[in-house]
Amino acid sequence: GNSVTQMEGPVTLSEEAFLTINCTYTATGYPSLFWYVQYPGEGLQLLLKATKADDKGSNKGFEATYRKETTSFHLEKGSVQVSDSAVYFCALTVGGSYIPTFGRGTSLIVHP
Amino acid sequence: DAGITQSPRHKVTETGTPVTLRCHQTENHRYMYWYRQDPGHGLRLIHYSYGVKDTDKGEVSDGYSVSRSKTEDFLLTLESATSSQTSVYFCAISGTAETQYFGPGTRLLVL
Repeated sequence: GNSVTQMEGPVTLSEEAFLTINCTYTATGYPSLFWYVQYPGEGLQLLLKATKADDKGSNKGFEATYRKETTSFHLEKGSVQVSDSAVYFCALTVGGSYIPTFGRGTSLIVHP
Repeated sequence: DAGITQSPRHKVTETGTPVTLRCHQTENHRYMYWYRQDPGHGLRLIHYSYGVKDTDKGEVSDGYSVSRSKTEDFLLTLESATSSQTSVYFCAISGTAETQYFGPGTRLLVL
C-alpha cells in the first residue's frame, strides 16, 4: 500500500531561520506529491506539488524536490516568518486513484 | 479559492441525536470527500463520492452515512451521535485524481 511519513513536531524556529520538514513515502506506482498547509482555524490548502521525479514545486518561498531515488519530498524555506506558523501535511496520489494518502502533519511554530 | 462551503460551521449536540453536515461546491468537481481531524490522528477519510449517488467508505466510516443527490452537495450524517464523534470535520473536492480543495471545517461537539 501507500504511506507517507513526516517528521514529528512541533518544529520550533526563530524568525528568519532555515526550515526543513522531512517527508518520505512508499507508493505502488508513480505518485504525484503534495504539500498542504493548514493555518489555525482553517482548512488545508495546497502549498506546492510535483508530479514526476526531479520536479521541484515552489510557492511562497517554500520549495520541495521530488526525489525518486530516496523516495522523499522534503519541504524547505530559506527564511521563515511568524506568519508561516501552521501545520504542514505531505501527501501523495498514485495515478488512477482519487484517494490521496496524507502524512500525520507537522506543526511549525515560528517565534519573533 | 475553490468555491466550497460547509454548514454549520459549529454545532453542539447531545449523545444519541442525529446530525447532518452539509458540503456545497460551486466548482462542478466530480469527487467529494469527508474527513475528520483529531489530535494525534491527522486527517482520516470517512466517506467519499465519485459522482452523483456514487459513494464509498473510507477508513473510519462506522457510525456515519453519506448522500449525494446533486453534483454540488455532499451530506454527512451521524445517525446517532456519540462523544467519540466530537471532532473537526472537513469536506474536500477534487476535479482530478490530484489536488484537493478543502472547506473551512465544521467543529462538532457531542455532549
